[in-house]
Amino acid sequence: DQQVKQNSPSLSVQEGRISILNCDYTNSMFDYFLWYKKYPAEGPTFLISISSIKDKNEDGRFTVFLNKSAKHLSLHIVPSQPGDSAVYFCAARNTGNQFYFGTGTSLTVIP
Amino acid sequence: DAGVIQSPRHEVTEMGQEVTLRCKPISGHDYLFWYRQTMMRGLELLIYFNNNVPIDDSGMPEDRFSAKMPNASFSNLKIQPSEPRDSAVYFCASSLQLYTEAFFGQGTRLTVV
Repeated sequence: DQQVKQNSPSLSVQEGRISILNCDYTNSMFDYFLWYKKYPAEGPTFLISISSIKDKNEDGRFTVFLNKSAKHLSLHIVPSQPGDSAVYFCAARNTGNQFYFGTGTSLTVIP
Repeated sequence: DAGVIQSPRHEVTEMGQEVTLRCKPISGHDYLFWYRQTMMRGLELLIYFNNNVPIDDSGMPEDRFSAKMPNASFSNLKIQPSEPRDSAVYFCASSLQLYTEAFFGQGTRLTVV
């Protein structure tokens, strides 16, 4: 059973606009969340993370928001650029140090 | 450092054959992870090692799968016998600590026909 879910397999956004990628999880014991970006034929690369004690973490154009009561996190990219086109994976770690990944969302930024 | 190196990049094999996937982690990283990526299930953690010792192999799907890390600079994942449903991209990753972000290799695309 998927403990981390990314319900949107794909998303298209115009260049310069905001991209919002969503992720839902079921396990309240998750204490650390990460986003990875993956280009075709390459391995995932770390993008940004957030601890469960925070509700927001910002790094340049990328911001991750965590809503623990809703068991939901999101990644905002502002402004979106064509180079951001990739598959984005949400991941979560539980207190037993096990990592769980979502199935990914393919983002296309249209020039 | 060249990053995490995986070989081969692509592997096509016949059902029933043994398959060996190889990984060289980043030097100095104490943790090594094997993941499998499929369309249906996304990225799944199969097994991870700490200082060459397997810590959690609960993600290994069946006894047909085995992984070893004979030294700090090498790990392999074996599937014997392979089946068509094993077709996927297999990623190796390494990290300094369990709580730090992992660096992934480019993956091995396995096709079992």
